[in-house]
Formats: sequence, C-alpha cells, structure tokens
Amino acid sequence: DIQMTQSPSSLSASVGDRVTITCQASQDIARFLNWYQQKPGKAPNLLIYDASNLETGVPSRFSGSGFGTDFTFTIGSLQPEDIATYYCQQSDNLPLTFGGGTKVEIK
Amino acid sequence: EVQLVQSGAEVKKPGESLKISCKGSGYTFTSYWIGWVRQMPGKGLEWMGIIFPGDSETRYSPSFQGQVTISADKSTSTAYLQWSSLRASDTAMYYCARQGVVITQPFDYWGQGTQVTVS
Repeated sequence: DIQMTQSPSSLSASVGDRVTITCQASQDIARFLNWYQQKPGKAPNLLIYDASNLETGVPSRFSGSGFGTDFTFTIGSLQPEDIATYYCQQSDNLPLTFGGGTKVEIK
Repeated sequence: EVQLVQSGAEVKKPGESLKISCKGSGYTFTSYWIGWVRQMPGKGLEWMGIIFPGDSETRYSPSFQGQVTISADKSTSTAYLQWSSLRASDTAMYYCARQGVVITQPFDYWGQGTQVTVS
C-alpha cells in the first residue's frame, strides 16, 4: 500500500496568512494526488485534483503543486470560512489511501 | 445536478446485519466508479472499496476485504454497502463518493454520509 504522510497534523494561523500543508507519498504517484476539505459535520469536498488543478467553483486562494512523491497545498490568504480539516489522497494505485489530515484553525 | 443521496442513520446491535444505500442522480450512473469511505469518530478518512456499476466490477481495500460487501443496482442507480455481522468497531460515518470513469480520477461528488452505530 502507498502511505501518505501529511504534515502538520494541525496548525493555527491568522486571517490573511499564507498556509502550507505538505503530503509525501511512500512511492512515486506521478501527478495523481488530490486534496479535500472537510468542515465539521460535513462530507469532504474536492478542492484540487491531479496535484495542481483547481476544481470548478473552488476559490483561487487554494492551490496545489508537486509531482512524484512530494506535494504541497496552499491557502494563499486564510479566510474564516477555511476552518476545516484538509486531506490529501493518492489515486495512482489501489488501495487508494488518504493522508492523516491537517486541522486548520484561526489564531 | 449530480447528487448522491445516502440512506438514514442506523442503530444496530452487534451480530446484526445491515445494508446502507447511496442513490445517484444527475449523471450516467453506470459510467462512473462509486466508492465507500469510512470515518470513525474523531478520525480520518479510510477508503473501503469501489464498484463500477456498469459491470459490477468491485475492488476492496485489504483492510475491508471479507468484512463488507459492495454492490450496485443499475435499475435504481443505487450502490450498497453491507455487513453480515456488525461489530462495535463498525461504528462510524460512511460516505459514498463518485470517482471517475477511471480509478485515477478523484472523488468529485460525495453523499451526505450515513451514521452507523453498533451498540
């Protein structure tokens, strides 16, 4: 199985800050890395697919980059509505696997 | 509009059987993989398995192989997740999600979740 190591597990930042989350795969997954946002009590929501493609309707302050084993997710300017847990997920190989999640809070 | 609507919350006793559902609409149900994801209380997301309703091809995570059964009914555009004998450790929120035409695509639409409590 491909292990996805996500860090940090939690972070606290101020409104307007730039926030970065990293995700490392245990083996090469090319560009097949997706990012989801999950707000409390809600289902996950796709933000970024194939490492860097913004899903339709997702604000442009969200972005992703990376290829192979190392990936980065960025919120360009943190907003109060971005309070959530963020997960990376690889879709290169079965079984599909998720990172452990990053809980983002407002300082 | 693509929608996945899941069945309601369930409370069951250990040893009981259960089948929960996920009804798709707004797209060609037989042309996209549907997956199931478990979220235990306070924990992260775990991929359980997927099914391609067009031909019922099914793939399971090794962690869930033999523990659950995934199926689909093309006539009603509904996917199912079932247990033959529940355990307390099956207590969790279960989500269905539409994947893509190919397995390398992301989960782009999600159901609202079905809470299963085994006690």
